[in-house]
Amino acid sequence: SYVLTQSPSVSVAPGETARITCGGNNIGDRRIHWYQQSPGQAPVLVVYDDRDRPSGIPERFSGSNSANTATLTISRVEAGDEADYYCQVWDDDTTQVVFGGGTKLTVL
Amino acid sequence: QVQVMESGGGVVQPGTSLRLSCGAAGFTFGTKGFHWVRQAPGKGLEWVAVISFDGSNEYYGDSVKGRFTISRDRSRNRVFLQMNSLTAADTGVYFCAKDVGPAVAGLSSYYFDSWGQGTLVTVSS
Repeated sequence: SYVLTQSPSVSVAPGETARITCGGNNIGDRRIHWYQQSPGQAPVLVVYDDRDRPSGIPERFSGSNSANTATLTISRVEAGDEADYYCQVWDDDTTQVVFGGGTKLTVL
Repeated sequence: QVQVMESGGGVVQPGTSLRLSCGAAGFTFGTKGFHWVRQAPGKGLEWVAVISFDGSNEYYGDSVKGRFTISRDRSRNRVFLQMNSLTAADTGVYFCAKDVGPAVAGLSSYYFDSWGQGTLVTVSS
């Protein structure tokens, strides 16, 4: 089955740029989606189809996807961005949704 | 305003069954697929199942295949998850999530634009 690999944690200072990566075999050939989950809350879609943002999501959130790595970039990080972030794809071969293990973003 | 709301969680003994329900409002129910996603305490998200907009297609995660069944009732705008032969490994918060599209292979991207707040299932003796 298809595997998505995320680093367990990323730490950045307020105002800096956070980059959260999601690795997978030829992930650049797939459409990847990103979710933000604050403690005790349901996940929220922040980027879909590699780089598009749902309405209401700040422009500070952006995405890219190429080769074997997809990246969620959060510019000018704020304290409110502290959360767990998950990448997700659909695997046609197994007809299953696949999530990455999640990355905890800590704002120092 | 789109709303998705789960119900039916609780504490059950190993080997028993439970049925979760998901209600939806604020959009045309019959045009969207739905998923169940779960999260064990302190762990990440795990996809459970999806049902297409018309109920004609269902897919399941490996850990629940053969034990769980997803279904939908168009007349009541509800989606269900029947869970059988429950074990402690099934403990967690279960989220119902609306697919952005019809959840049909070849036509959909299969991602979630609205989530419920979750319902807690605890399997314990």
